[in-house]
Amino acid sequence: AQTVTQSQPEMSVQEAETVTLSCTYDTSESDYYLFWYKQPPSRQMILVIRQEAYKQQNATENRFSVNFQKAAKSFSLKISDSQLGDAAMYFCAYRSRDSNYQLIWGAGTKLIIKP
Amino acid sequence: NAGVTQTPKFRVLKTGQSMTLLCAQDMNHEYMYWYRQDPGMGLRLIHYSVGEGTTAKGEVPDGYNVSRLKKQNFLLGLESAAPSQTSVYFCASSRFPTSASYNEQFFGPGTRLTVL
Repeated sequence: AQTVTQSQPEMSVQEAETVTLSCTYDTSESDYYLFWYKQPPSRQMILVIRQEAYKQQNATENRFSVNFQKAAKSFSLKISDSQLGDAAMYFCAYRSRDSNYQLIWGAGTKLIIKP
Repeated sequence: NAGVTQTPKFRVLKTGQSMTLLCAQDMNHEYMYWYRQDPGMGLRLIHYSVGEGTTAKGEVPDGYNVSRLKKQNFLLGLESAAPSQTSVYFCASSRFPTSASYNEQFFGPGTRLTVL
């Protein structure tokens, strides 16, 4: 069975600086998707970025980028120029390409932005 | 478009009471899901539906029932609530996946349920 591990329960960063959130996963599959979701205090789950395992190029969305290391089964999220609005819980999630429904979630990392 | 909506946003129950959570989506999505979120854990799938009239069990289905009588609605029922069901419940929906689509799940705002 697949598992997703986020080893950092909490991280803090100074506003305008860069922070990296870690995620590792375990799978025997070769084709899958990886996601980072943001959950602000409003509780709304928002997709931040996604990565398709067959693509070697790291995904980027504005200030958010990932470092996808397939062999190491690592999928970290880098947030550049951190803003107060980035404060939230961040969840890493995995989905097999063959699965139409099952998202496997990490436990989350709470990101604190210091003004 | 309202996206995915959930009713109610908060609820307090006594042990043994029953209730139904309503999820509605206006994106014409085929797939719908119910998750629960507990402190220190990621979301866990309770039940899901791949189309009107069909439902299936997820990772933690015990104590819950679901129904999908209309494509846009997905109901989650607790027949006899227990304190272990205190949690935040999220509904999500997605399109039918194709080779060109990764089937993003869109989430509702959640329902905080407390069972005393």
